Amino acid sequence: DQQVKQNSPSLSVQEGRISILNCDYTNSMFDYFLWYKKYPAEGPTFLISISSIKDKNEDGRFTVFLNKSAKHLSLHIVPSQPGDSAVYFCAASRRGGSQGNLIFGKGTKLSVKP
Amino acid sequence: KAGVTQTPRYLIKTRGQQVTLSCSPISGHRSVSWYQQTPGQGLQFLFEYFSETQRNKGNFPGRFSGRQFSNSRSEMNVSTLELGDSALYLCASSSDSLGGYGYTFGSGTRLTVV
Repeated sequence: DQQVKQNSPSLSVQEGRISILNCDYTNSMFDYFLWYKKYPAEGPTFLISISSIKDKNEDGRFTVFLNKSAKHLSLHIVPSQPGDSAVYFCAASRRGGSQGNLIFGKGTKLSVKP
Repeated sequence: KAGVTQTPRYLIKTRGQQVTLSCSPISGHRSVSWYQQTPGQGLQFLFEYFSETQRNKGNFPGRFSGRQFSNSRSEMNVSTLELGDSALYLCASSSDSLGGYGYTFGSGTRLTVV
């Protein structure tokens, strides 16, 4: 049973436009959410996170939105750049609980075209 | 500050053999987690160690085991290798005592079983 789902395997966006990556989760006990970016043959790199007590967190071009009632979060990248082309993983955790580890979605491959 | 170091980077083993992978966390980090990444399943949690104790375990068979040493370095072992064990194995470390965020990943060990 997949607790974290990224329903879009891929997304293609024009340079300069907005990229919106979506993630849904099923476990209401999750209280911390993260986005990681991954290039081939490298480990995931932390991008941005959000606690369940917030509904928005911004860091430069990256903003994460959390809708707890819908169990949905999204990552907005504005403006998108060709260097953003990578696989983006959404992850969730329950801090201090038996699921202190990260549960990952299967990823969305973002392609930003010049 | 050195990152998470995984050795070796690449490994080719024969079905039925066993393999040991190594992970050196960021200095001061006491939590080490292991993940398996395959094209079809994404990143799946194997286990987490904190201060030499296994704190959490994913849904993998007993052929997968790990340990953590007093200097926080960790090893994972896979016995009786199967073709399906071919994957990128990622190690992540964290200073967080509760678990759930702040994970920094290594570049991974690419294991190929033939």
